[in-house]
Amino acid sequence: DAGVIQSPRHEVTEMGQEVTLRCKPISGHDYLFWYRQTMMRGLELLIYFNNNVPIDDSGMPEDRFSAKMPNASFSTLKIQPSEPRDSAVYFCASSFGNEKLFFGSGTQLSVL
Amino acid sequence: AQTVTQSQPEMSVQEAETVTLSCTYDTSESDYYLFWYKQPPSRQMILVIRQEAYKQQNATENRFSVNFQKAAKSFSLKISDSQLGDAAMYFCAYRSALGGSEKLVFGKGTKLTVNP
Repeated sequence: DAGVIQSPRHEVTEMGQEVTLRCKPISGHDYLFWYRQTMMRGLELLIYFNNNVPIDDSGMPEDRFSAKMPNASFSTLKIQPSEPRDSAVYFCASSFGNEKLFFGSGTQLSVL
Repeated sequence: AQTVTQSQPEMSVQEAETVTLSCTYDTSESDYYLFWYKQPPSRQMILVIRQEAYKQQNATENRFSVNFQKAAKSFSLKISDSQLGDAAMYFCAYRSALGGSEKLVFGKGTKLTVNP
């Protein structure tokens, strides 16, 4: 298996633009997580899904952030409009049940 | 809500020596999982070791072992025979076993430097 695949690896955009981050979990995994990592706040959970259904989105900063999981093999995290404070590394991770989380390589987002 | 505390922002060790990274957590649950993840400069999150709370035996993975003290809510990581490749950020994490609470909660991390 290729592991969790995230794209793009780097994204540079201007304030106010829409940003879409993509994730393909490991086949057969039933949990998918979106984390954000910054120096100040560390690793924060934004949202997670179980069997494509959002379970906990309490970490989503505000209405500018939205996440979808239309099927078991794809998820997106969208920021609209983006702001400089959204600059961070965004990780997607998946797991099967309560087994270990496998992380993607992350997307480095820079909002100018 | 569960919290994870790593009290050592930075640690250093000489190559071939042993180092222990500390982690404490707060929870009212009895069934959960604990993890140590390694994040090298490549930023990839790599699982180092996993411990189930119901198991009294400490987990080990080659040069990595943990000291799990459930009553004290402590979960330290010992790295033996440290290698230059062990230099990275290390994150301790907690995951509930309860349905609907499966998120992984991370500590702030410990930056480990390995000196040749």
